Amino acid sequence: QQQVKQSPQSLIVQKGGISIINCAYENTAFDYFPWYQQFPGKGPALLIAIRPDVSEKKEGRFTISFNKSAKQFSLHIMDSQPGDSATYFCAARFGGSYIPTFGRGTSLIVHP
Amino acid sequence: GAGVSQSPSNKVTEKGKDVELRCDPISGHTALYWYRQSLGQGLEFLIYFQGNSAPDKSGLPSDRFSAERTGGSVSTLTIQRTQQEDSAVYLCASSYGGGNTDTQYFGPGTRLTVL
Repeated sequence: QQQVKQSPQSLIVQKGGISIINCAYENTAFDYFPWYQQFPGKGPALLIAIRPDVSEKKEGRFTISFNKSAKQFSLHIMDSQPGDSATYFCAARFGGSYIPTFGRGTSLIVHP
Repeated sequence: GAGVSQSPSNKVTEKGKDVELRCDPISGHTALYWYRQSLGQGLEFLIYFQGNSAPDKSGLPSDRFSAERTGGSVSTLTIQRTQQEDSAVYLCASSYGGGNTDTQYFGPGTRLTVL
C-alpha cells in the first residue's frame, strides 16, 4: 500500500514557468513533510520541508503548500530554470519515526 | 567538508554472485541508512543504524541481504546470491542524530546491475 502518492510522474515546463508537483498521504500521524531534489548520478538532497501547523512555506523560488484537511501537499517552483531539471521526491514522516515514506518521484524537465 | 561517499559507483555482477557495497558516512554522524531506488520507484528503506543500538532491519527484502557497521562509522551492505530483481541504485545516507526532523545526507549511490 502506497502511503504517499505523488503526481505527475513527469513534467515538462518552459523556462520561467511554474512547476507544480502534488502529493497526497493517508496516514494522519505524519507530521513532517520534506521534499528532496535529485540530479542524475547524485543522491537526493533535502530541498525544503514543512510541518502541518503551517499552510505554506517559502524558500526562494520554492514553496510548499499544505492542506491538512485534504491530506495533500504540493511543491511549487516559480520562475522555473533549466538548472531545476531533476527528479523531485516528496516524503512524509511521523513523530518517533526516523524513516521517511517516499513518493515515487517526479521527473522535471525545464526547457530553455 | 566531505559528504557521504559510496563505493563502487557501479557494479555489474552475474546472477548468483555475492556483492558488497560500501558506505562512508559524514564524520560525526551517528545515524546511517540504506535505501534501494529502482527505476520509477521511490526510495525503499532497507536498514537503519543508530549509534551502538541494534539496527532496524525491517526493510531488508530477504535473508540474502545483510549489513553491518563497524566502529560506528563505515557500513557494508552485502547481497548474497544476487538475483536480477536486485538490480537498482543502492543509496546510503547519514544524519547527525537520527531524530524525526534530522536531515539525511545522501551519498551518490551504487548502481548495481545483475546480469
